[in-house]
Parts: sequence; C-alpha cells; structure tokens
Amino acid sequence: KNQVEQSPQSLIILEGKNCTLQCNYTVSPFSNLRWYKQDTGRGPVSLTIMTFSENTKSNGRYTATLDADTKQSSLHITASQLSDSASYICVVSALGFGNEKLTFGTGTRLTIIP
Amino acid sequence: DVKVTQSSRYLVKRTGEKVFLECVQDMDHENMFWYRQDPGLGLRLIYFSYDVKMKEKGDIPEGYSVSREKKERFSLILESASTNQTSMYLCASNLANFRDRYYYEQYFGPGTRLTVT
Repeated sequence: KNQVEQSPQSLIILEGKNCTLQCNYTVSPFSNLRWYKQDTGRGPVSLTIMTFSENTKSNGRYTATLDADTKQSSLHITASQLSDSASYICVVSALGFGNEKLTFGTGTRLTIIP
Repeated sequence: DVKVTQSSRYLVKRTGEKVFLECVQDMDHENMFWYRQDPGLGLRLIYFSYDVKMKEKGDIPEGYSVSREKKERFSLILESASTNQTSMYLCASNLANFRDRYYYEQYFGPGTRLTVT
C-alpha cells in the first residue's frame, strides 16, 4: 500500500529561525514528489515538484530535497516569517496508465511566533 | 494564473438533504478532481474526471456522485447527506499527463467546509 508519512506533526518556531520538515514515502512506481503549503481554511498551493532525477529544488526561502534511494524528502524553510504559518503537505505521485495517482501525507502544522 | 473556484466557502445542511458542490476552472484543464480533507487523514480522492461526461471512482466514492457536463465545471453530489460527510471538500484540476511530460501540477480551489447536522 502506498504511504506518505510526515514529521513532526506540528512545530512551533520563532520568527527568523530556520526549520526542516520531513517526509518518508513508500510509493511505487515513483513519478514525482510535491510539497504544498496550505493556509488555514484555504486550498493547498504548490511549492515544489521534483522527479527522481532531481535531488534539490528551491522556491524562494523554501528548499526541498529528495533522496530517491532512501525514499525521503525534506522541506527547509530559511529565515521564517509569520506568513509561513500553515500546514505543509508532502504528496507523492505514482505513475499509472495515462494518469497518475497521488498519495497525500497528513501534513506538518507549522506555527511561527513573533 | 490558473483559477479554480468553488461555489461556497461554508455550507450547513441537514441530514438527508441533497447537496451540490460546484467547481469551475478557467484554464481548459482536462482533469478535475474532488477530495475531502479530514484532520489526521490527509486528502482523500472521492472522484475524478478526465473528460466531459467521463468519471472514475477514487478511494472513497461511497455516498457521493459527480457530474461533468462541461469541460470547465465539475459537480460533487451528496444524494442524502449524513453527519459523517461533514468535512472540507477540495476541488482540483490539471492538464492531462499523456503528453510529453509525466506530470502536471494540480491546482486547488479554496475549499468548501460542509457541516451536516
């Protein structure tokens, strides 16, 4: 069964500090891994998408890494801001016939305090 | 910018009522999806559609049906709402991925928080 596990479930850090969120997956056949940011009461918004050949990708202060051998990914947030308070969801895609199947993690709830 | 809109942000319905949730996208995407999101469970796929009048069951289709009469519009129908269908419902769309790339990003709507009492 395809699974995506995220840790920690929740995290509280001071504004300006860095943090790293983790994602472990067992999804086959692997196609790509995505990180989404979801503000409270809103739909998820894509931060990065990585295929198996990419081991790092940045989007501003967000940097995602992927180790396809160990089936692990991380999302590093640099110099956090209050607006980074949100849930961060790791999503792994498996290739199917003519389409893809997404498996969603349950998310890490990040709170930035001033 | 891709825009996915949902007809209501908040909805309160009574048990047994028929409920319609509407989703519209403006980017000519072939694929459209309905998910529900519950605490601790992540997003779960209810139904998806890869073309007008076409639909496929997702992981949790029981108690739901869908309709896609036009390419830009995908409706989720709860034939007889029950309290266990209280949830956040998210619509998404993307281009079909049987082209030169293996993936296309999914764009989500803002969600509809449905409460069934």
